[in-house]
Amino acid sequence: DTEVTQTPKHLVMGMTNKKSLKCEQHMGHRAMYWYKQKAKKPPELMFVYSYEKLSINESVPSRFSPECPNSSLLNLHLHALQPEDSALYLCASRPGQGDINEQYFGPGTRLTVT
Amino acid sequence: AQSVTQLGSHVSVSEGALVLLRCNYSSSVPPYLFWYVQYPNQGLQLLLKYTTGATLVKGINGFEAEFKKSETSFHLTKPSAHMSDAAEYFCALGSNFGNEKLTFGTGTRLTIIP
Repeated sequence: DTEVTQTPKHLVMGMTNKKSLKCEQHMGHRAMYWYKQKAKKPPELMFVYSYEKLSINESVPSRFSPECPNSSLLNLHLHALQPEDSALYLCASRPGQGDINEQYFGPGTRLTVT
Repeated sequence: AQSVTQLGSHVSVSEGALVLLRCNYSSSVPPYLFWYVQYPNQGLQLLLKYTTGATLVKGINGFEAEFKKSETSFHLTKPSAHMSDAAEYFCALGSNFGNEKLTFGTGTRLTIIP
């Protein structure tokens, strides 16, 4: 299995809703990432988990809450989002320690906040 | 600090013509360089990477890139454009020092003219 999967593909939520995005990989990778991508822009890093521990939080608002239950799974819990949070949310994984840091991306979840 | 500059936010070429997408980088440590492609409403797919060794790197779909340290460049080329090459292309910079993050360029939208 050489892919990163993300569910759901599309999500529409109101500003008072609570929802979660899910990311899964079975490549044995030990680092996992959440990115936010607005239209016509590069991905913006949000969080990095390394060996199931949060290693980087790019000053993301607390209405986004990441969780890494195990080495294969990464969640992003969403609460009280704003319309400007509408974007494509990408998950990525990387093998882990070592000098090759290419990241493998999932297809993304298109989030619309109404 | 690391940075990536992609010259030309939009590039149009005729089908069968040479594709040249430009990427320049700035890094205080030996760079690792990547080209990713993103088709509409999809995640990012790795086209090719430079870490160490051979400076001419071949990737998928007939693309290649040459690392030129003296010019701090990593331009992406393809001899003959195909309609299926129409997509957004991102150049990204990493390193083996603090290797958890990638620095992305702003992207180049490639359009193929029939």
